[in-house]
Amino acid sequence: DAGVIQSPRHEVTEMGQEVTLRCKPISGHDYLFWYRQTMMRGLELLIYFNNNVPIDDSGMPEDRFSAKMPNASFSTLKIQPSEPRDSAVYFCASSGDLAGVTTGELFFGEGSRLTVL
Amino acid sequence: AQSVTQLDSQVPVFEEAPVELRCNYSSSVSVYLFWYVQYPNQGLQLLLKYLSGSTLVKGINGFEAEFNKSQTSFHLRKPSVHISDTAEYFCAVSRIGGYQKVTFGTGTKLQVIP
Repeated sequence: DAGVIQSPRHEVTEMGQEVTLRCKPISGHDYLFWYRQTMMRGLELLIYFNNNVPIDDSGMPEDRFSAKMPNASFSTLKIQPSEPRDSAVYFCASSGDLAGVTTGELFFGEGSRLTVL
Repeated sequence: AQSVTQLDSQVPVFEEAPVELRCNYSSSVSVYLFWYVQYPNQGLQLLLKYLSGSTLVKGINGFEAEFNKSQTSFHLRKPSVHISDTAEYFCAVSRIGGYQKVTFGTGTKLQVIP
């Protein structure tokens, strides 16, 4: 399996522009997570999906952030409009049952480094 | 709710020396325990996990961790570190039963000195 695939790996944009980050989870995994990592705040869970349904978006910073999962193999995280404080590395991770038991073990993508000027 | 404490934000150690990275957790229920490693400019990858059974868990790259329920600890150890072990290490827990929301520690940066 190719693992969790994220794109783009790097994005530089100007304040006010729309940013869309993409994620393809591992086939067969039924949980998908979006995390944000910064020096100041560490690793933060933004939102997670189970079977394509958003379950908990309490970590989404504000209404400028939105996430969708239209099918089991694709998710997007959108920021509109973007601000300099959104600069961070955004990780997608997926998780699946281990012999019918969900352990919480996560498989991470390589991340999308966002810089908002 | 559960929480994870990694007391050391940075740990410098000479090459070929042993290292221990400390992790303590707090939870009112039983948990699964994990250590993840993040190399520069990469995502996190699983180093090892404790689900049940033997409290001494062996992972990749010669690392091991011991689950101590009475001390609520899950310290990570390696008897002899290599330059390539320079990375950030995250301890994490998830609750057993139901959806296992993962709680991460703040990370420990291991710097291996030649």
